[in-house]
Amino acid sequence: KQEVTQIPAALSVPEGENLVLNCSFTDSAIYNLQWFRQDPGKGLTSLLLIQSSQREQTSGRLNASLDKSSGRSTLYIAASQPGDSATYLCAAQGGSEKLVFGKGTKLTVNP
Amino acid sequence: NAGVTQTPKFQVLKTGQSMTLQCAQDMNHEYMSWYRQDPGMGLRLIHYSVGAGITDQGEVPNGYNVSRSTTEDFPLRLLSAAPSQTSVYFCASRGQFVANVLTFGAGSRLTVL
Repeated sequence: KQEVTQIPAALSVPEGENLVLNCSFTDSAIYNLQWFRQDPGKGLTSLLLIQSSQREQTSGRLNASLDKSSGRSTLYIAASQPGDSATYLCAAQGGSEKLVFGKGTKLTVNP
Repeated sequence: NAGVTQTPKFQVLKTGQSMTLQCAQDMNHEYMSWYRQDPGMGLRLIHYSVGAGITDQGEVPNGYNVSRSTTEDFPLRLLSAAPSQTSVYFCASRGQFVANVLTFGAGSRLTVL
């Protein structure tokens, strides 16, 4: 059974800092790894999707990497801003239609 | 605006009552799904559908029923509400292929007393 873990559960940084969020998964037989953002009281917004054949994806200040062999993905946020404050979730898509989510990392960027 | 629409946003039920959470998408997505989000548990898949007339169970299907009569709609029915079903429910959809991005609705917060 796939398990997805995100460390740390919460992170507080000053504005402008570069930061890394970690995601690990137990079953390397995945189709893709997805990163989402969730603002309080809102739904999830897709940030990046990395196919199993890819090593990384970039969107603006966000860069996500995938290492299937080690069961790890990282989300790198450059030059963090207060507007980046949110909960970030990763999810692993396996062979069935089931997307398994981690519990998220709550990020606070302080002005 | 194109997207996933969930209704109602908030609902309070008494134990034993039944209700339906509505989900509609206007993106012609084949795949639709329901998740519940609980503190400390993350999001867990309840039911999903890969097309009209086709549904399947997810990780936590007990106490919930779904049907998919049209491509656009995927309602979630609570047959006899229990306090354990107090949660935030999210509907999500995507295109036909696993590589497509999931689009989530804004959520429905359900409290069962």
